[in-house]
Amino acid sequence: EPEVTQTPSHQVTQMGQEVILRCVPISNHLYFYWYRQILGQKVEFLVSFYNNEISEKSEIFDDQFSVERPDGSNFTLKIRSTKLEDSAMYFCASSEGGVSAFFGQGTRLTVV
Amino acid sequence: AQSVAQPEDQVKVAEGNPLTVKCTYSVSGNPYLFWYVQYPNRGLQFLLKYITGDNLVKGSYGFEAEFNKSQTSFHLKKPSALVSDSALYFCALGYSGAGSYQLTFGKGTKLSVIP
Repeated sequence: EPEVTQTPSHQVTQMGQEVILRCVPISNHLYFYWYRQILGQKVEFLVSFYNNEISEKSEIFDDQFSVERPDGSNFTLKIRSTKLEDSAMYFCASSEGGVSAFFGQGTRLTVV
Repeated sequence: AQSVAQPEDQVKVAEGNPLTVKCTYSVSGNPYLFWYVQYPNRGLQFLLKYITGDNLVKGSYGFEAEFNKSQTSFHLKKPSALVSDSALYFCALGYSGAGSYQLTFGKGTKLSVIP
């Protein structure tokens, strides 16, 4: 069964460093998303991406964040200068075009 | 604005008993409703969805959910709980933004099934 895969499963980084979280969406999907879940809190939408551009972004997705689909298969989330409060589980999701989304296993980002 | 509420932080049931995890929503227009399950240190696994059609939706692992428009609810149910059902359950509301769909999640309900 096709699935969304994310790497790494856990990333530890120092405050101020740049991180790139990687995702391989399901191959025939056209819409890509990033969500995050701060420990103990609910899952929050960050950004959606379609046709090589951002469709929508939330208030959380400020100038420190960027997304890219560099090679037609990977979908990345970059945090330019990490802060302690960026520590969270980051989920990538993809969908064929409807409202159903399939999520990856997540990358746990720890900023120290 | 759209929102999802899961009024219970935790639900405990005995193995073999029926379980219900509650969810209510608020949205203008037609709702797209989902249930996801999260096991410890794992991602979000899709359980079931309501887009249109029958109000009773059947999903994975024997779960089902009933869409009730008048009560704006979408409660998750299972006739006979298993210990392995113990996990964190999220209700989510899908809506269309500028050319894409987003999910708004509830805060989650921790289900504990006691042997």
